[in-house]
Amino acid sequence: DAMVIQNPRYQVTQFGKPVTLSCSQTLNHNVMYWYQQKSSQAPKLLFHYYDKDFNNEADTPDNFQSRRPNTSFCFLDIRSPGLGDAAMYLCATSLYPGNQPQHFGDGTRLSIL
Amino acid sequence: DAKTTQPNSMESNEEEPVHLPCNHSTISGTDYIHWYRQLPSQGPEYVIHGLTSNVNNRMASLAIAEDRKSSTLILHRATLRDAAVYYCILNFGNEKLTFGTGTRLTIIP
Repeated sequence: DAMVIQNPRYQVTQFGKPVTLSCSQTLNHNVMYWYQQKSSQAPKLLFHYYDKDFNNEADTPDNFQSRRPNTSFCFLDIRSPGLGDAAMYLCATSLYPGNQPQHFGDGTRLSIL
Repeated sequence: DAKTTQPNSMESNEEEPVHLPCNHSTISGTDYIHWYRQLPSQGPEYVIHGLTSNVNNRMASLAIAEDRKSSTLILHRATLRDAAVYYCILNFGNEKLTFGTGTRLTIIP
């Protein structure tokens, strides 16, 4: 089945040590999103790519960056993780922006030691 | 973004219909109403969306009030697998989904 795959499901890193989370999709969708979901909270959009165009949310910390080397893959880089960055990170895709259903992966749960 | 209001939690018996309400009194004419759900330890899952008319798909039905200030997600026959947090989201055509607090649905066997 076509899907959005996030690896790994669980990631542990040390305070201040850069970490990269990955997302791949077999849906051939044009848009890829990254959301952050902290414990008992709703998902919050960090940024998204529409093809190669990067769109950052105004309140996304500079510590968070993203790369999309091709249609299928998108990466979330956290340059210097702090304790407050511990969260579930969700990747999603949609065929086009706007009122299109978004397809989510099952997320990567990031812990900071 | 226009806001939505949902009950924090609801309970329903297994195999009975479930009506999940959502109020969106400040909805604009171009806002679509989207519903997603999030099962435990999973990413959100698209359920249904609509603009003015009621909508049906294999998962659920969406009933939209005539003035569009409220809507109801209807699960016709709840199963234990429907236990999740249900999010009602307004989207006016941009890329952003702004999730609210949602309704935590518990299904009683």
